[in-house]
Amino acid sequence: DVKVTQSSRYLVKRTGEKVFLECVQDMDHENMFWYRQDPGLGLRLIYFSYDVKMKEKGDIPEGYSVSREKKERFSLILESASTNQTSMYLCASKSWRTPGELFFGEGSRLTVL
Amino acid sequence: AQSVAQPEDQVNVAEGNPLTVKCTYSVSGNPYLFWYVQYPNRGLQFLLKYITGDNLVKGSYGFEAEFNKSQTSFHLKKPSALVSDSALYFCAVRALNTGFQKLVFGTGTRLLVSP
Repeated sequence: DVKVTQSSRYLVKRTGEKVFLECVQDMDHENMFWYRQDPGLGLRLIYFSYDVKMKEKGDIPEGYSVSREKKERFSLILESASTNQTSMYLCASKSWRTPGELFFGEGSRLTVL
Repeated sequence: AQSVAQPEDQVNVAEGNPLTVKCTYSVSGNPYLFWYVQYPNRGLQFLLKYITGDNLVKGSYGFEAEFNKSQTSFHLKKPSALVSDSALYFCAVRALNTGFQKLVFGTGTRLLVSP
């Protein structure tokens, strides 16, 4: 069964801390994505990567960075967490062969105090 | 810019009745349209997609969606709702960004199916 695994389901961090969110997929997908989900705003794209070591800004990249050193792993980094980054973070992957068919992880709910 | 609108925050329907979750889109060029479902405390799951061809698209769990170009709509439907269909539903459209395809999601519609 195909799988996208996010390392932490729930995190609580303090303002100013550096936060790492890890995502691993086992489907050999080229493309990977980080979204944040907030009530009433739906999903908003933070960053995406269309291949190893490649990254592109999404719609709301401010305050975030990413790393993709290996094909299966895509990390989201909050350099200095702030309270407005409290949210649900969703990682997804897809093959370039199947446009729009994303496979999502179960999400990481981050609370910044 | 590509976008989708889901005009209803919540849809309530009784079990056994037909359900419709609405979506309208705005896109330059031919639309690629998608529906995803999110069950409580889970990630999103792909339901169905429209790329080209037949305007009625069938997907998982008995859901279908009708593409209407003149009304720029892609409504999700099911003939007979189940309590287990209660979830958050997202419509999405493909957007082109410097040649790379990404999805733009709507704000979501919560479906509540009562017994």
